[in-house]
Amino acid sequence: DAMVIQNPRYQVTQFGKPVTLSCSQTLNHNVMYWYQQKSSQAPKLLFHYYDKDFNNEADTPDNFQSRRPNTSFCFLDIRSPGLGDAAMYLCATSGRGGSAGYTFGSGTRLTVV
Amino acid sequence: AQSVTQLGSHVSVSEGALVLLRCNYSSSVPPYLFWYVQYPNQGLQLLLKYTSAATLVKGINGFEAEFKKSETSFHLTKPSAHMSDAAEYFCAVKSPNSGYALNFGKGTSLLVTP
Repeated sequence: DAMVIQNPRYQVTQFGKPVTLSCSQTLNHNVMYWYQQKSSQAPKLLFHYYDKDFNNEADTPDNFQSRRPNTSFCFLDIRSPGLGDAAMYLCATSGRGGSAGYTFGSGTRLTVV
Repeated sequence: AQSVTQLGSHVSVSEGALVLLRCNYSSSVPPYLFWYVQYPNQGLQLLLKYTSAATLVKGINGFEAEFKKSETSFHLTKPSAHMSDAAEYFCAVKSPNSGYALNFGKGTSLLVTP
């Protein structure tokens, strides 16, 4: 089945130690998104790629970066994780226009110690 | 900018009872509207969507929603709740004309009691 896969499902990192979360898709969708979801809150869009074009949300901290080396893969890099960055990170994809909705991965739960 | 408001952060129903989760939207143009469900420690699963076709939309797991422009609403319903419906439900909105951001409501936690 076509899907969005996130690895790892759970990630523990040390305060200030760079960490990378990965996402892959078999849907061949043009657009890939990264959302941050803190406990009992709605997902918040960090940034998205339309093909290779990167679009950052205005309030996304500089500590968060992303790479999309090809259509299938997208990475979220947190350069210096703080305790406030502990959250569920959700990757999603959509086709052009997004009218069909977004397909989400299962998420990566990040713990910062 | 488009936004949605979900009324009621927690809703509790008995098994077999009607489920009604409320969502109101704010948009300057007819939007795309979505309902997603999230189980603990899982991603979001699309239940149904409205994209300017039929106003009554049927989704998975017996859920449906009706787009009412006059009331700017897109409430989610299910005639008979199952224990397995207990989860977090998010309403989301997107402009059909610009941008890619899917803006979520704050979510409603559905509890189903025996």
